[in-house]
Amino acid sequence: AQKVTQAQTEISVVEKEDVTLDCVYETRDTTYYLFWYKQPPSGELVFLIRRNSFDEQNEISGRYSWNFQKSTSSFNFTITASQVVDSAVYFCALSEEYNNAGNMLTFGGGTRLMVKP
Amino acid sequence: DTAVSQTPKYLVTQMGNDKSIKCEQNLGHDTMYWYKQDSKKFLKIMFSYNNKELIINETVPNRFSPKSPDKAHLNLHINSLELGDSAVYFCASSQDHPEPTQETQYFGPGTRLLVL
Repeated sequence: AQKVTQAQTEISVVEKEDVTLDCVYETRDTTYYLFWYKQPPSGELVFLIRRNSFDEQNEISGRYSWNFQKSTSSFNFTITASQVVDSAVYFCALSEEYNNAGNMLTFGGGTRLMVKP
Repeated sequence: DTAVSQTPKYLVTQMGNDKSIKCEQNLGHDTMYWYKQDSKKFLKIMFSYNNKELIINETVPNRFSPKSPDKAHLNLHINSLELGDSAVYFCASSQDHPEPTQETQYFGPGTRLLVL
């Protein structure tokens, strides 16, 4: 069975600080996909990024960056110069094939990020 | 132009009642899902349908019955509601080709169910 661990349940920072959210995963698959989702206080789940297991290049999108390290089974997410609007719960997830047919996401427990002004 | 929509957004009901949550996607996706998010924010898959066929049925009580009238709709019917069913239920959809595991799942806004 696959597993995703987000050890930080809650992080609090002051605006403009950089913050890194950790994600560690376990899988027996050689090909797999990792995702990050954001859940703001309004409650919806917003897709942020997808990364496949063969691509270890870091990705940057504005103030967001992701560091994927297969050797340590980690897929960490950094927000640079955090803003109050970044306050949300962030979920890391691993995609798993199900019975050679479906696809299911295994989610980590989430990290609640609070950015204070 | 909502991609994945759910109704209702909020549902408050008494124990023992039967209720349904509807989900529709206009993304042309082949696969739809139901996830449950508990009070501690933990998200877990319940069901998955591909082209109206049940693919994933995780350890969910059989009081929960999904129904997919067509590939754009996946409804969730819950019989004899219990206090422990209180949660947020998310519908999601994704493409299933070329490889299901790589396809991004897009989520609806969630339905907040409170059983009193």
